Amino acid sequence: EPEVTQTPSHQVTQMGQEVILRCVPISNHLYFYWYRQILGQKVEFLVSFYNNEISEKSEIFDDQFSVERPDGSNFTLKIRSTKLEDSAMYFCASSEARTANIQYFGAGTRLSVL
Amino acid sequence: AQTVTQSQPEMSVQEAETVTLSCTYDTSESDYYLFWYKQPPSRQMILVIRQEAYKQQNATENRFSVNFQKAAKSFSLKISDSQLGDAAMYFCACAQGGSEKLVFGKGMKLTVNP
Repeated sequence: EPEVTQTPSHQVTQMGQEVILRCVPISNHLYFYWYRQILGQKVEFLVSFYNNEISEKSEIFDDQFSVERPDGSNFTLKIRSTKLEDSAMYFCASSEARTANIQYFGAGTRLSVL
Repeated sequence: AQTVTQSQPEMSVQEAETVTLSCTYDTSESDYYLFWYKQPPSRQMILVIRQEAYKQQNATENRFSVNFQKAAKSFSLKISDSQLGDAAMYFCACAQGGSEKLVFGKGMKLTVNP
C-alpha cells in the first residue's frame, strides 16, 4: 500500500541553524500538508500546498518557515533559523483532494533544537 | 475558531471487549467533517473512520462505529471486539468545509489487555 515517507526520523540541530525536513507524498496526490506536535500538546496544522503554492497556512507558519516541492516527488519544510520552541514532531500528509478527503500521514520527523 | 476536545488521556480495555472513546468539538460552520485517526507506537496516523456532518446516519467500518450527536457536538468512537492491535493513540479531528486543515484533539492512549 502506498504511504507517505518522511526523512530523517530524528533531526538534531543547534539553535539558529537551518533545517530541511523531507517528505515523499503518495504519488498521485495533489494536496500536501505539514503539521507539528510539540511534546504533550495537540497536533497543529502548519500549512497546506497545492499546485505549487501555499493554499492555507496557520499563524504558526511565519517567515521562518517555507515549503517547497523541488521536484515531482519531494515536499520539504524549511525552518530558516531554528529556535528552541521549534522542537517538535513534524508530520507530513497528502491527499487526493481537499477538505473532506482523507489525509495520509507520514510517521513524522522528531526535531530537537539544542 | 474550531476546537476539538478529548477529555480522557488514557483508557484500557480487555481483549474482545467494547470500548468507547469520547470527543467533543465546537465549530461555527454547518459544513464540516469529523475523523478518528489511530497512531500505533512509532507509526504514522491512519484514518479509522470519517463522518460527514450533513449525514444523520452514523458511520461504521467493521468493528469501528461512531455515535455522532450533532446537537451536542459529540463524536464518540466505539471499538467492538477489541484486539491487541487496536492499542494506539487515537486522535479525533475536525475539518471545516472549504478548509484543508484538520484540527485535532489532544489524543487518547488506548491499552488493550490480553
